[in-house]
Amino acid sequence: GESVGLHLPTLSVQEGDNSIINCAYSNSASDYFIWYKQESGKGPQFIIDIRSNMDKRQGQRVTVLLNKTVKHLSLQIAATQPGDSAVYFCAEKYEYGNKLVFGAGTILRVKS
Amino acid sequence: EAGVTQFPSHSVIEKGQTVTLRCDPISGHDNLYWYRRVMGKEIKFLLHFVKESKQDESGMPNNRFLAERTGGTYSTLKVQPAELEDSGVYFCASSQDMNGYTFGSGTRLTVV
Repeated sequence: GESVGLHLPTLSVQEGDNSIINCAYSNSASDYFIWYKQESGKGPQFIIDIRSNMDKRQGQRVTVLLNKTVKHLSLQIAATQPGDSAVYFCAEKYEYGNKLVFGAGTILRVKS
Repeated sequence: EAGVTQFPSHSVIEKGQTVTLRCDPISGHDNLYWYRRVMGKEIKFLLHFVKESKQDESGMPNNRFLAERTGGTYSTLKVQPAELEDSGVYFCASSQDMNGYTFGSGTRLTVV
């Protein structure tokens, strides 16, 4: 079906290491992708986005990679910190319309 | 700039009762969205308002759910009568244009 899915439900990393969170999407018509971070008791918080005409975008300590050939999206977090512990969602927006389709989420746990 | 505000933050009601959730978007945002996350699953789209008009309500699960946006400002989502499977976290988001969503902290609804 048309959905976005995540490969790993839980990811544990050591503080200071790099984290990679993966996401597969199935709708080739999607033109915009977003990564969100959700902490307990809060709503999804925007991290970084990327349009379908790009394959890489960098922010502060975060990088999003888009591989349209295999319909894969990843979020890389450099020098992971305890404050990065949260649930991470990828979301896609179809070419037409405004709604976002979310993946199930990946729990990131950072060990000190 | 005030963010997206949702009220209440938590609600516990009995099966068969009625609950009304409220969302105040960021001032000036024409687009308002409702999403929900049930039982740790993915966040799913419910509907999208552009000002006071329903642009897309394809995600509304059934006719027990009624969303309104009077005057194109705040929005309410009423569940009547509530069922056990309606339990979850209901998120509201707003945006000025097609992208740039800002989410509220959500309303955690528990139906017992």
